[in-house]
Amino acid sequence: NFMLTQPHSVSESPGKTVTISCTRSSGSIASNYVQWYQQRPGSSPTTVIYEDNQRPSGVPDRFSGSIDSSSNSASLTISGLKTEDEADYYCQSYDSSNHGVFGGGTKLTVL
Amino acid sequence: EVQLVESGGGLVQPGRSLRLSCAASGFTFDDYAMHWVRQAPGKGLEWVSGISWNSGSIGYADSVKGRFTISRDNAKNSLYLQMNSLRAEDMALYYCAKGPGYSSGWYDYWGQGTLVTVSS
Repeated sequence: NFMLTQPHSVSESPGKTVTISCTRSSGSIASNYVQWYQQRPGSSPTTVIYEDNQRPSGVPDRFSGSIDSSSNSASLTISGLKTEDEADYYCQSYDSSNHGVFGGGTKLTVL
Repeated sequence: EVQLVESGGGLVQPGRSLRLSCAASGFTFDDYAMHWVRQAPGKGLEWVSGISWNSGSIGYADSVKGRFTISRDNAKNSLYLQMNSLRAEDMALYYCAKGPGYSSGWYDYWGQGTLVTVSS
């Protein structure tokens, strides 16, 4: 099966833009949709991006997702950073049998 | 409002068994795939198992295959995870998660989790 690799941590200032990458180890990133989940400390994960670039209702348009076949990676971009965005972010995809695969998670610090 | 409430976690000795339950409400349970995802203390998320709407398609992570069994009772709006031969590395917070369709590989709603502690 494939793996998804994320940076361990990123940090940026309020109001700025940050991008978190997620690289697929084998097979095409476009083979199966990529999702992004936000997990604040002590809370359950919530979906911020699904199907590569779709936002659930209630998620601000400051959050956007994309995939890049040339680098075989997905990206989560958060613009106009707020302190409330500080959380762990996980990318996730699945194989042809719907077996889930998560990235290791990225800790976003907004300082 | 979608609600997923897990139960059944607790302290168990290595080699013993435990059965987790997830009570679902706020949606038509038998229209959706369901999954278990776990998170070891201080670690990342790990998909454990998933089941399609009619139990026709079931999958397991290699780490639990042969030891864990997922099932659902659509009449009771409930999801289960039977965990046998538990190991120290199974210790984690176990989340019940709903898929967005009949048979799907991602999760649109999550429960609050139930903690499984494996220790002698």
